[in-house]
Amino acid sequence: DAGITQSPRHKVTETGTPVTLRCHQTENHRYMYWYRQDPGHGLRLIHYSYGVKDTDKGEVSDGYSVSRSKTEDFLLTLESATSSQTSVYFCAIRDGQGNTEAFFGQGTRLTVV
Amino acid sequence: AQRVTQPEKLLSVFKGAPVELKCNYSYSGSPELFWYVQYSRQRLQLLLRHISRESIKGFTADLNKGETSFHLKKPFAQEEDSAMYYCALDGSGNTGKLIFGQGTTLQVKP
Repeated sequence: DAGITQSPRHKVTETGTPVTLRCHQTENHRYMYWYRQDPGHGLRLIHYSYGVKDTDKGEVSDGYSVSRSKTEDFLLTLESATSSQTSVYFCAIRDGQGNTEAFFGQGTRLTVV
Repeated sequence: AQRVTQPEKLLSVFKGAPVELKCNYSYSGSPELFWYVQYSRQRLQLLLRHISRESIKGFTADLNKGETSFHLKKPFAQEEDSAMYYCALDGSGNTGKLIFGQGTTLQVKP
């Protein structure tokens, strides 16, 4: 398995609270991504990073922010969690050297009550 | 607009039967297409990509640009093939952003 871990694996939080999810990689891959997985929608891109301090929005970025201060860590923050953000969140990494396979973390199940 | 459509939410077959998971895409250029699989309680993993044209676990997929399709096929389904399958498109150049279909759950009955 590619060296990619997500934490926490499960979280329950209350509406209106901030939440940060962490993705950590040991592969030194340039690209990192956050997706959310919802029934009927598949996976949708939230934000991605193409290097330290270089990030950009994805398809469903509203209500989310990200930071990447080190190659190995990509943080996803929900500034004020809402019930619509209840989902399974997947981090992925990709080597920017012509290899187009993405490696996924095990996912974080977030429930906003 | 770039889009991936998997018309079947659930496909249920008996062991030994042929399987075809449908995937259609919308993209104006030359796409890179993938099939990812998620077994129960496991992470998504790459099953196939069209550029490599290889067969993995007996699955194959052919890119049909005329029909804008990338259907996944296996001649004889096994119970261990039961999983969620996602078709994905990378039309972003080198950023690797993937657009996923809605996913199809394959259920192989004994």
